[in-house]
Amino acid sequence: QKEVEQDPGPLSVPEGAIVSLNCTYSNSAFQYFMWYRQYSRKGPELLMYTYSSGNKEDGRFTAQVDKSSKYISLFIRDSQPSDSATYLCAMSAGGNNRLAFGKGNQVVVIP
Amino acid sequence: SAVISQKPSRDICQRGTSLTIQCQVDSQVTMMFWYRQQPGQSLTLIATANQGSEATYESGFVIDKFPISRPNLTFSTLTVSNMSPEDSSIYLCSVQRDFNNEQFFGPGTRLTVL
Repeated sequence: QKEVEQDPGPLSVPEGAIVSLNCTYSNSAFQYFMWYRQYSRKGPELLMYTYSSGNKEDGRFTAQVDKSSKYISLFIRDSQPSDSATYLCAMSAGGNNRLAFGKGNQVVVIP
Repeated sequence: SAVISQKPSRDICQRGTSLTIQCQVDSQVTMMFWYRQQPGQSLTLIATANQGSEATYESGFVIDKFPISRPNLTFSTLTVSNMSPEDSSIYLCSVQRDFNNEQFFGPGTRLTVL
C-alpha cells in the first residue's frame, strides 16, 4: 500500500462548478497536510497548509483533514479557467520527516 | 514564503555529460531539498542538502550520480553526472524555513538528455 493515494484524474468541470479533490494515506503519524497547485511547466505552489484535523478556508479554497479516516480533501468553489492545473497533496509527520506526495490530480475548468 | 530561483531553467544535454543546477533563495533557510519529477509522475525526493556537511540521499539515489553542494544557507547545487536519457526530467529545489514543514518550490529545471 502506498503511503499517499491520489486519483490522478483528469477531472473536467464547467466554470463555476465546485471542484472536489481528495487523498487517502496510511501513515497515522502524518500531522501536517498540504495542497500544492502546479501549472504546466512551473514549480508547485503551496496553496493550503493545515495541521492535524479540521477545516481551513482561504477565499474560494477549503481544505479538510479527517485524521480518523486518514482522508484529506480540497474544495474549490466557483471554479475559474485559471484554476486549471495539477493539484498535489502532500503530508508529513513533522520535524525532519520528509514530505510524502500524492501523484497529483489534473483539473480542467471549461469556460 | 520565499523567492527561489533556479538556473538553468532548461537544458538539452548529450549522453555522458554532466549538468550542474543552481538554486538560490532570497533569505536564509534551514533546509533545502532536491526533487525529481518525471513526466506524468509526482515528486520524488532525491536528497536533503545539508549546510556544511554531506547531503542525505534517499533510497535509490547516490552521491556519485547526484553530487550536491550547500556552501551556505541560501544556495545549493545539484549535479546530474554521466547523464543518460533516463535522467530526462524536471529537477526542483525546495526550501523549508524552519521545522513547521511549509515547503516552497523553485520553478524547476527541465532537462532533456539525448
